[in-house]
Amino acid sequence: QVQLVQSGAEVKKPGASVKLSCKASGYTFTNYALHWVRQAPGQRLEWMGWINADSGNTKYSQKFQGRVTITRDTSATTAYMELSSLRSEDTAAYYCARLTAVSGTRALDSWGQGTLVTVSS
Amino acid sequence: EIVLTQSPGTLSLSPGERATLSCRASQSVSSSYLAWYQQKPGQAPRLLIYGASSRATGIPDRFSGSGSGTDFTLTINRLEPEDFAVYYCQQFGSSPFTFGPGTKVDIK
Repeated sequence: QVQLVQSGAEVKKPGASVKLSCKASGYTFTNYALHWVRQAPGQRLEWMGWINADSGNTKYSQKFQGRVTITRDTSATTAYMELSSLRSEDTAAYYCARLTAVSGTRALDSWGQGTLVTVSS
Repeated sequence: EIVLTQSPGTLSLSPGERATLSCRASQSVSSSYLAWYQQKPGQAPRLLIYGASSRATGIPDRFSGSGSGTDFTLTINRLEPEDFAVYYCQQFGSSPFTFGPGTKVDIK
């Protein structure tokens, strides 16, 4: 079955960077894009960006442009999301999710369990 | 950026009742690019509906989606205890692929 397993919780100081991982299994890694979504405590889901797992092409939300980098390692079937210049507002649960494209539709059909990132001095 | 608005913010209902949730987009979204998710406390979201009206794998038929253009609806018939959660819509019509603020369905 499709599984996305994310790395463990992180605590970072303001100004630092964090790099999260998302290990995929149960499907052909390069056939699907992976998206990253975050959720601050009590807030709505917020889309950050995505990577074409085959080509490695990426697209980011303008909000995070310049601070976020999404990469992948096809041999490890793992995607990574690095967020730099962390501030307290970046405290959130970060999710990776697989994009499905059945019959031309789009939706995130499988999600990782989430990684909690806490930014605190 | 396409802004999604969901209403109501909270819906208080009893098990067995019907829930009708609205998602309105600031500009037209192709039905193919509108999805609904359910999220319970401490859990990742779960895909319910894709393409505005197609149920995801394993989703009970009491969940249905409809709508087009700027107005979309998620209906839950005969609420079960496990359906009390927060529901989000998301659009893939244009980047950034925004989410609505969510509708919380809680027990009356």
